[in-house]
Amino acid sequence: NAGVTQTPKFRILKIGQSMTLQCAQDMNHNYMYWYRQDPGMGLKLIYYSVGAGITDKGEVPNGYNVSRSTTEDFPLRLELAAPSQTSVYFCASRGLGGASYEQYFGPGTRLTVT
Amino acid sequence: SQELEQSPQSLIVQEGKNLTINCTSSKTLYGLYWYKQKYGEGLIFLMMLQKGGEEKSHEKITAKLDEKKQQSSLHITASQPSHAGIYLCGAVSTGNQFYFGTGTSLTVIP
Repeated sequence: NAGVTQTPKFRILKIGQSMTLQCAQDMNHNYMYWYRQDPGMGLKLIYYSVGAGITDKGEVPNGYNVSRSTTEDFPLRLELAAPSQTSVYFCASRGLGGASYEQYFGPGTRLTVT
Repeated sequence: SQELEQSPQSLIVQEGKNLTINCTSSKTLYGLYWYKQKYGEGLIFLMMLQKGGEEKSHEKITAKLDEKKQQSSLHITASQPSHAGIYLCGAVSTGNQFYFGTGTSLTVIP
């Protein structure tokens, strides 16, 4: 199993550009999450999904969009990049059993908006 | 929204020393999770505490949950350079969202 994979690893965007951060998991997990981590800070939840076709806003959803057409994939879209979106983005997933909120994290995407 | 405050914000210890990290919640805890993040990498789940008074250990790391104080502590015994990283507590809110604490950066000097 590859676990949770994220692409790209690094990206530099200009203000106003758009991009999609990709996230995929091969563990057949229902729940998937997108977080952002600003320097020296904890993680903040952007969006999450409890299953294919279902998404919901987290703590800091403004400026982002998500979709969940399949169980495996959960892309995060930035439509008009702003410097405030410079951050490290983590995707995570979890199943329904075990430690209920044991999340598996991807390696992260480091995004800089200039 | 749920707020999880961690203290200290950063910690530098000599190898072999013991240390404690605290996580205090602004709301009732329905379970507390501890994660570790190596610098520049994703998070790794350490352990979960569900009941007041519960204590769990993983190698040299022990975590306790005090429901009355809405607080959890993470204790590392005889720290090693491999313990270095960022430790984050997390909790589920009543809205089924997951919140992370502010994080504690640990440096272990050989």
